[in-house]
Amino acid sequence: DVKVTQSSRYLVKRTGEKVFLECVQDMDHENMFWYRQDPGLGLRLIYFSYDVKMKEKGDIPEGYSVSREKKERFSLILESASTNQTSMYLCASSLEGNQETQYFGPGTRLLVL
Amino acid sequence: QKEVEQNSGPLSVPEGAIASLNCTYSDRVSQSFFWYRQYSGKSPELIMSIYSNGDKEDGRFTAQLNKASQYVSLLIRDSQPSDSATYLCAVKPGRGSTLGRLYFGRGTQLTVWP
Repeated sequence: DVKVTQSSRYLVKRTGEKVFLECVQDMDHENMFWYRQDPGLGLRLIYFSYDVKMKEKGDIPEGYSVSREKKERFSLILESASTNQTSMYLCASSLEGNQETQYFGPGTRLLVL
Repeated sequence: QKEVEQNSGPLSVPEGAIASLNCTYSDRVSQSFFWYRQYSGKSPELIMSIYSNGDKEDGRFTAQLNKASQYVSLLIRDSQPSDSATYLCAVKPGRGSTLGRLYFGRGTQLTVWP
């Protein structure tokens, strides 16, 4: 079974804090993804990575950065958290290939006060 | 922009009925299609994938794909209250380098009442 884990299920931070969300997968997947999910807006892609040290912007990268130093680990960084970054953050991973799909971690619910 | 549209619902069906969930997509050369189920407060989990035209059955679930009409659907037979969830349609484009990216619809909320 594919296993994707995220460092925290719930997180409360203050405006202006630097926030690190970590994601680890144990299936040697090439691709990793960070999404946020908000009511009525669906899943929105923030960043993704197709290899170590490689990253691509998704649809809403502003206010976020990412780091992938090892194949199994993909970190999302909020440089200076703001209240509009309060959301559910979901990490996913996949193999490379036309028929390969994504497998999601349990999510981190972040509240920025 | 590659768009994936789903009827937003909510869709409400009685226990034992067939639930029909629909999805259309804009990228004509898309080649892989997935249905995810997401319970409230949980992350999406894959329930079906389909790659060629026609029907694909897995237990009570049937995925249907019509590439000419750019349409994919999910049928749930003998619906159970435990099927109550949001169902997400996801499409993988077929042209160019997408680096594994999927395009998701906003989901259809299904409620199965006893």
